[in-house]
Amino acid sequence: DAGITQSPRHKVTETGTPVTLRCHQTENHRYMYWYRQDPGHGLRLIHYSYGVKDTDKGEVSDGYSVSRSKTEDFLLTLESATSSQTSVYFCAIRAQRGYGYTFGSGTRLTVV
Amino acid sequence: QKEVEQNSGPLSVPEGAIASLNCTYSDRGSQSFFWYRQYSGKSPELIMFIYSNGDKEDGRFTAQLNKASQYVSLLIRDSQPSDSATYLCAVDNNAGNMLTFGGGTRLMVKP
Repeated sequence: DAGITQSPRHKVTETGTPVTLRCHQTENHRYMYWYRQDPGHGLRLIHYSYGVKDTDKGEVSDGYSVSRSKTEDFLLTLESATSSQTSVYFCAIRAQRGYGYTFGSGTRLTVV
Repeated sequence: QKEVEQNSGPLSVPEGAIASLNCTYSDRGSQSFFWYRQYSGKSPELIMFIYSNGDKEDGRFTAQLNKASQYVSLLIRDSQPSDSATYLCAVDNNAGNMLTFGGGTRLMVKP
């Protein structure tokens, strides 16, 4: 998607290993978000950021950490991957409060 | 727990008909409301937003908001097979810093 890229697009990893997903934006937007999408649960917020080094937890943050050292990059780390973290992960950006999100293309993560 | 509820469907309509998608939300402080379209295997795409009570039209799409009833809807006129997708309702929290999404309604438009 224009202005926002996620990497990798697909990843298979083993239980217990750490995994880092990257979200990169070129829009200079203040707000960045990580969601996961699962059948029957829809999109659920993991963590979000409202500025460099400013982050907060969402509703499903256990087992995940984030970092934002630059405006353009927002990293999501699974500290020790579990099978329950198999999901599609979406990053989103937002220019201002009250505006809609623009989503990245997603990362399909499989934990075996 | 702030919630956004949608009927999961599938909602099946014939080509050329009006598709009506509905959403209810629980946070009375919400000020911003969004509709996203998501094709299978793709990311959500913003198609409509509405902030004030009433109707907002954009081409074949009309968003309707009733804050008193905590109800948002999306009407798609002259439905096309290419409109077949899952439609996600999203509601801002009252601080305006994050969206809560409904589970989505799957729409099928049959030729």
